[in-house]
Amino acid sequence: DAMVIQNPRYQVTQFGKPVTLSCSQTLNHNVMYWYQQKSSQAPKLLFHYYDKDFNNEADTPDNFQSRRPNTSFCFLDIRSPGLGDAAMYLCATSRDRGSEQFFGPGTRLTVL
Amino acid sequence: GESVGLHLPTLSVQEGDNSIINCAYSNSASDYFIWYKQESGKGPQFIIDIRSNMDKRQGQRVTVLLNKTVKHLSLQIAATQPGDSAVYFCAVSFPNTGNQFYFGTGTSLTVIP
Repeated sequence: DAMVIQNPRYQVTQFGKPVTLSCSQTLNHNVMYWYQQKSSQAPKLLFHYYDKDFNNEADTPDNFQSRRPNTSFCFLDIRSPGLGDAAMYLCATSRDRGSEQFFGPGTRLTVL
Repeated sequence: GESVGLHLPTLSVQEGDNSIINCAYSNSASDYFIWYKQESGKGPQFIIDIRSNMDKRQGQRVTVLLNKTVKHLSLQIAATQPGDSAVYFCAVSFPNTGNQFYFGTGTSLTVIP
């Protein structure tokens, strides 16, 4: 089945230790998104790729970076995680901008 | 700035009753709206969508109503079941941000058996 896969499902890191979260898709969608979702809050868009074109949200901290080496994969790099970065990180894809988004199961990040 | 809001953060209904979840948005140019269901520990799951050229759309046990005049949409779930217990988000596209979606706060629906 075509789907959005996120690895790992649970990630524990130490304060200040870089961490990378992974997302892959078999939908062959043009757009890939990263959202941050804190407890009892709505998903908040961090950035997205339209093909290789990177689009950062204005209020996304510099601590968050992303890479998309090919159509199928997209990575979220957190350079120096703080306690406030503990959250669920959701990857989503869509065929085009403004199209329905398909979400992965998320990666729960814990910062010690 | 853009805003998307939900009227009620929590909603409890008896099994078999109908549920209504509301969402208000601010940008009259928004033209695409999606309702997502998110169960605990999972990613949001598409339920139903509607475009601005419609005011009602029905799916299996779900109906979305769009009132562009007051910038309000609602999700109606018929004969609510325990499996419907989840957090429901409306997502609204904002054309002047490249059609990105912004999510409302979320309503936590609890179905009482």
